[in-house]
Amino acid sequence: KQEVTQIPAALSVPEGENLVLNCSFTDSAIYNLQWFRQDPGKGLTSLLLIQSSQREQTSGRLNASLDKSSGRSTLYIAASQPGDSATYLCAVRLGSEKLVFGKGTKLTVNP
Amino acid sequence: NAGVTQTPKFRILKIGQSMTLQCTQDMNHNYMYWYRQDPGMGLKLIYYSVGAGITDKGEVPNGYNVSRSTTEDFPLRLELAAPSQTSVYFCASSPLSGTVNTGELFFGEGSRLTVL
Repeated sequence: KQEVTQIPAALSVPEGENLVLNCSFTDSAIYNLQWFRQDPGKGLTSLLLIQSSQREQTSGRLNASLDKSSGRSTLYIAASQPGDSATYLCAVRLGSEKLVFGKGTKLTVNP
Repeated sequence: NAGVTQTPKFRILKIGQSMTLQCTQDMNHNYMYWYRQDPGMGLKLIYYSVGAGITDKGEVPNGYNVSRSTTEDFPLRLELAAPSQTSVYFCASSPLSGTVNTGELFFGEGSRLTVL
């Protein structure tokens, strides 16, 4: 059974710091991996989607990497800002419909 | 751009009542999903649809029903509400690229349901 783990569950950093969020999964037979952002009381917003054949994706200050063989993905946030405060979730796709989510990392960026 | 729209945003039900959570998307996506999110837990898939007229069960379908009469709409019905159904419900959609589900999910803002 595929399990997705995100560590740490919560992270607090000062503004301007570069940081890394971790996502690990137990079964490397995935189609893709997606990182989401969730603000309190809101839905999930897709940040980056990495297909199984890709190693990384970048969008602005965000960079996500994927290492299928080790069952790991990282989300790198450069020069963090208070507006980056949110919960970040990763999800792996096992098939056309089955998506397994991690429980998320709650990030707080302090001014 | 409306994207995925869910109504209502909040609802309180009594045990045994029924209700329908509405979800509509204006992106012409083939795939639609219903998830529930409980505190401290990951999202769990309730039902999904690969196109109009086609629906299938996810991980936690008991106590729920869905229909997909049009591409745009995917309502979720609770027939006999129970306290265990207190949760935040999210509808999502996903486009096709050619004949393949791209896998990228677009979410609504959620419907917070409390059953007392």
